[in-house]
Amino acid sequence: GAGVSQSPRYKVAKRGQDVALRCDPISGHVSLFWYQQALGQGPEFLTYFQNEAQLDKSGLPSDRFFAERPEGSVSTLKIQRTQQEDSAVYLCASSPWTSGPFKNIQYFGAGTRLSVL
Amino acid sequence: EDKVVQSPLSLVVHEGDTVTLNCSYEVTNFRSLLWYKQEKKAPTFLFMLTSSGIEKKSGRLSSILDKKELFSILNITATQTGDSAVYLCAVEEGGSSNTGKLIFGQGTTLQVKP
Repeated sequence: GAGVSQSPRYKVAKRGQDVALRCDPISGHVSLFWYQQALGQGPEFLTYFQNEAQLDKSGLPSDRFFAERPEGSVSTLKIQRTQQEDSAVYLCASSPWTSGPFKNIQYFGAGTRLSVL
Repeated sequence: EDKVVQSPLSLVVHEGDTVTLNCSYEVTNFRSLLWYKQEKKAPTFLFMLTSSGIEKKSGRLSSILDKKELFSILNITATQTGDSAVYLCAVEEGGSSNTGKLIFGQGTTLQVKP
């Protein structure tokens, strides 16, 4: 595709519900990142995939957060038993390279705005 | 703890003004510094800086990195209303994980008035 696509754009959940957020990276991009952006703050790293392998999940705030990328393309971020503090914009980014000086130019999707009531 | 700090947090100027946005960082294993522009949609890439003293330029925007003093600036000359956005500074942390994850500042909100 032309860019990173995320869906849904907006999600309202009742506290305690499970949610699933989808990311379609740019075709052929090997690296995929998830970030969480609270209102008025910069994005914070959640997790990283290289193809289907989840190489870094150090930023996931709790075991209620789970991410997968089973075929090395589309990724899903799942949040179980949502809490109000989970309300944020969840950004997905992809980059084509796994090494070299340009690996860190990440191309972002528009994000999913999650509101937990 | 690694951190990136941007200043000012917000700025209001008039069209035609020149603005300078600041980004300082304390990162254990610095690899590069990136600037993004975020409107009400996806952050879009502006610059990547890896070497001190070399200015990157794109139209009315320019940026430079000082690795000795651990900061970068983003300049915008002859501002236009379309420059209104949040400008994000991010540093790639190049530790043992080597994933390319970015540490972001909190952003500078720029509003350009007609």
